[in-house]
Amino acid sequence: DVKVTQSSRYLVKRTGEKVFLECVQDMDHENMFWYRQDPGLGLRLIYFSYDVKMKEKGDIPEGYSVSREKKERFSLILESASTNQTSMYLCASIATSGSSYNEQFFGPGTRLTVL
Amino acid sequence: QKEVEQDPGPLSVPEGAIVSLNCTYSNSAFQYFMWYRQYSRKGPELLMYTYSSGNKEDGRFTAQVDKSSKYISLFIRDSQPSDSATYLCAMSTSGTYKYIFGTGTRLKVLA
Repeated sequence: DVKVTQSSRYLVKRTGEKVFLECVQDMDHENMFWYRQDPGLGLRLIYFSYDVKMKEKGDIPEGYSVSREKKERFSLILESASTNQTSMYLCASIATSGSSYNEQFFGPGTRLTVL
Repeated sequence: QKEVEQDPGPLSVPEGAIVSLNCTYSNSAFQYFMWYRQYSRKGPELLMYTYSSGNKEDGRFTAQVDKSSKYISLFIRDSQPSDSATYLCAMSTSGTYKYIFGTGTRLKVLA
């Protein structure tokens, strides 16, 4: 079974802090994604990565950066957390070959609160 | 207009009912259609995956894609209280792994 894990389930930070959210997948997937999920807005793509050290902006990249130094790990960084970044953050990875082709697998999510 | 529209609900049904969940979309290039189930405070899990048009059945779940109407549906037969969750539709085009998600429909199955 594909497993996508995220470093924290719940996180509380203060305005202005630098925040790191980590995601690890164990299925050797090339593509990894970071979303945020807010009521009424659904899932919105922040960044995605299609290979090590490669990244592309999604629909709402402002205030975020990412790092992908190893294939299995994709980190989301909030450079200076703000209250409007309080949200549920979801990491996902996708199979680009095999029986699970184009299926996106999600981690359990990190609920971040910025005070 | 959003690319993908989904009624947010909530939708309440009695146990054993047939549930119909729907999404409409505007981009005729979408080829891959997915349904995810998300329990409260959990990540989405893939339920059904369909390529192009047609029906797909898996146990109590049936996914339908009508590309001519730009409309997809998920049917749940003999619904159970354990089906209570938010259901998200998602779509993508060929040549990309970026999905567009609906906002989700909250379903409550009453015992």
